[in-house]
Amino acid sequence: GENVEQHPSTLSVQEGDSAVIKCTYSDSASNYFPWYKQELGKGPQLIIDIRSNVGEKKDQRIAVTLNKTAKHFSLHITETQPEDSAVYFCAASGMSGGSNYKLTFGKGTLLTVNP
Amino acid sequence: DGGITQSPKYLFRKEGQNVTLSCEQNLNHDAMYWYRQDPGQGLRLIYYSQIVNDFQKGDIAEGYSVSREKKESFPLTVTSAQKNPTAFYLCATQGGAFTEAFFGQGTRLTVV
Repeated sequence: GENVEQHPSTLSVQEGDSAVIKCTYSDSASNYFPWYKQELGKGPQLIIDIRSNVGEKKDQRIAVTLNKTAKHFSLHITETQPEDSAVYFCAASGMSGGSNYKLTFGKGTLLTVNP
Repeated sequence: DGGITQSPKYLFRKEGQNVTLSCEQNLNHDAMYWYRQDPGQGLRLIYYSQIVNDFQKGDIAEGYSVSREKKESFPLTVTSAQKNPTAFYLCATQGGAFTEAFFGQGTRLTVV
């Protein structure tokens, strides 16, 4: 099955700096890669996603890049703000058995933005 | 008001007892998932279902059971066979393979 590795497990930055979180996946059939943000005591929420036919996607201060050859994708947050502090999860999903799909998550990154 | 609802938010269970966590959605999504979250372990898949009356085991299904009798509901039973059930449990729905998954607010289960 799919295995998603996520690094680093913790990341501390100063307000205004950039933050980068990296993930690798094992199943070359995976073709959908979402990123989720989880605040304390809540369920994760989607912040950005990318499909395998796209190399990069940007939404304001957030961007995701995908390298299918290396089976690697990354989340980039620019101009970080204290409200960006949270746990971030990457995930991978692909179709198996013709119609079966499921999301496999990384172990998460605790991002702390210091004022 | 569309969404996904998990209940209860907090649940306490005595050792040896079964307990059922509720997950209801009105998003008309086909897929529903149960994840377990432990510190430093990320989200681990317990069970998932993509159509009514059908479900598949995830990576850590032992000691858990589910049912999918209605599209809107996907309850999870934590049985006494689960050796370490204390955790944060998250339910999610997804409308299709490449679409956003929506999570509930979670149920924190504690064995006392």
